[in-house]
Amino acid sequence: AAGVIQSPRHLIKEKRETATLKCYPIPRHDTVYWYQQGPGQDPQFLISFYEKMQSDKGSIPDRFSAQQFSDYHSELNMSSLELGDSALYFCASSSRAGQERATNEKLFFGSGTQLSVL
Amino acid sequence: GQNIDQPTEMTATEGAIVQINCTYQTSGFNGLFWYQQHAGEAPTFLSYNVLDGLEEKGRFSSFLSRSKGYSYLLLKELQMKDSASYLCAVHQAGTALIFGKGTTLSVSS
Repeated sequence: AAGVIQSPRHLIKEKRETATLKCYPIPRHDTVYWYQQGPGQDPQFLISFYEKMQSDKGSIPDRFSAQQFSDYHSELNMSSLELGDSALYFCASSSRAGQERATNEKLFFGSGTQLSVL
Repeated sequence: GQNIDQPTEMTATEGAIVQINCTYQTSGFNGLFWYQQHAGEAPTFLSYNVLDGLEEKGRFSSFLSRSKGYSYLLLKELQMKDSASYLCAVHQAGTALIFGKGTTLSVSS
């Protein structure tokens, strides 16, 4: 079965550079979430999209932006990178359409992008 | 906002049973999830509770008491491969899933 695909798997950048992370959700999933997980930390919710519109916003810095495209893939754009941005970035997808409301948030995670800022 | 508390670390031996507790404070509760995460890997879904009671799925069971803001994940017949971080996550109505800090379980032989 197809899973959530993230690219790249690893990314090395220098301070003040920009980075773009991509996420391809499970086919027919309409909701995408971005999480940031620092070493030894729990995943922190950044932002989510439902049907290509921003659905919810968490602790996403102003230097970051994201969008969901017509094919439902999503990109997280990160500018003016800082050392503290080094983390594992997970994308997750779910399907809200046709689901009971209470089960909307069963998330399927991608393998993540490991970003290292030097 | 939400407060989700779970123990930082737990240890157990192969074949044993371990219970990982999670307490939460939230409004508009819409379900509680447990995820397993091995180091450097993505979290994987284990269980979901929205009504009070016990949900059993093989060696793993999860319990919820909404009135007490309490859940636990029960792991039976522990195996070495169960060594991982276990994340309690709460879905508050109108927001995305919020994770607790996770419990690192170490299973020894």
